[in-house]
Formats: sequence, structure tokens, C-alpha cells
Amino acid sequence: DVKVTQSSRYLVKRTGEKVFLECVQDMDHENMFWYRQDPGLGLRLIYFSYDVKMKEKGDIPEGYSVSREKKERFSLILESASTNQTSMYLCASSLTTGAYQETQYFGPGTRLLVL
Amino acid sequence: GQNIDQPTEMTATEGAIVQINCTYQTSGFNGLFWYQQHAGEAPTFLSYNVLDGLEEKGRFSSFLSRSKGYSYLLLKELQMKDSASYLCAVLDSNYQLIWGAGTKLIIKP
Repeated sequence: DVKVTQSSRYLVKRTGEKVFLECVQDMDHENMFWYRQDPGLGLRLIYFSYDVKMKEKGDIPEGYSVSREKKERFSLILESASTNQTSMYLCASSLTTGAYQETQYFGPGTRLLVL
Repeated sequence: GQNIDQPTEMTATEGAIVQINCTYQTSGFNGLFWYQQHAGEAPTFLSYNVLDGLEEKGRFSSFLSRSKGYSYLLLKELQMKDSASYLCAVLDSNYQLIWGAGTKLIIKP
């Protein structure tokens, strides 16, 4: 069974704080993703990574950065949190590139509230 | 642009059958996924279609027509636990997953 874990289920931060969200997968997957999900908007891709130390911007990277120092760990960083970053953050991983192997497995999500 | 359309919300009765449609316009096609997401939880994988036709998995079936850019998820013998959002996602020619906004399914007794 694929297991994707996220460091926190709920997080409350203040505007301007630096926020770290961590994601770990235990199935040796090559690809990892960070999404945010807001009501009525569906999943929006922030960043993704196809390999260690590699990152690619998704659809909404502004205000975020990522780090992938080890294959199993993908971190999302909010350099200076703002209220419009209040959202549900979902991490996902997939085995590799190509068709069915792209099936993404999600972590439980982190609900971030920025005050 | 790339676009995936699903109804925002549907209501059905326990024990009945419901069909959730998904139409897509994407740059290329490498498969279509359906995910289930219960409120406050993460999406979980339901099905993957890359060839035309119907794939059946217990009470859930997924259909694909590539020429029409159309898929549906069919849920039979509905149970209260099927109340959830159902997300359609298409893998485009660059192997990027394009997500629909999801269909919230409400099951009534």
C-alpha cells in the first residue's frame, strides 16, 4: 500500500510567518506534487518534482517554493504567509511518468489558516 | 486552453444508479482518471481509462469515448457512504494531469 504522509493536519500561522509543509512517501515514487484545493476551484498545482533536487512550476507557484533533497521527501515553503494562502494543501506522489504510472496517491492534507 | 467540465452537484437516492459525466478538451490524451474525495479528506483513486469502452469495478464503472472527449462514472446500488465529490482528471500529451473541479454527489435515504 502506498503511504503518503504530511507533517500536520491543521496549522494556524500569522501573516508574514515562514511556513514549512512536509510530505513523505514510502513507495520509492519518482514524482511528487503539491496542490492547493479551494471550494469551487478544484485542485490547483503549485509545484512538482520528477527527481531529487529537481522542481518545476505548476499553475500557481507565486508565493511558494519547494525543496526535494531526498527522493521520499518534498517540502512546500511559504516564504511569507498571507491570508490568501489559507487553504487545504495536498501532497501527492506517482510512480513515474507515463500513463497508468501517473496515478497519483495523496496524503491526508494540511488545512492551513493564515491570520 | 485546456478544459474539463463536470456538473457541480448531483443528488440521488440510496439504492439507485447515478451517472456523473465529464467532458474534456485537452492538448493530447494519455488517459483519464476518476477519483473519489470525501469531505475533508484526500482524493483516492477509483479508475483509469485510456481505451474506449466501459471498465467495470464492482458497483463502479467508468466509460470513455476519446472521439467525443467524454467519460462518465456510473455508480450502482448507491449507498450513503458514496456521498462524496468525484473528480475527473485527464493526462495530456505532456503527461500533465488536468483536473476538473469535481462533482459533489449527495445521496438521500
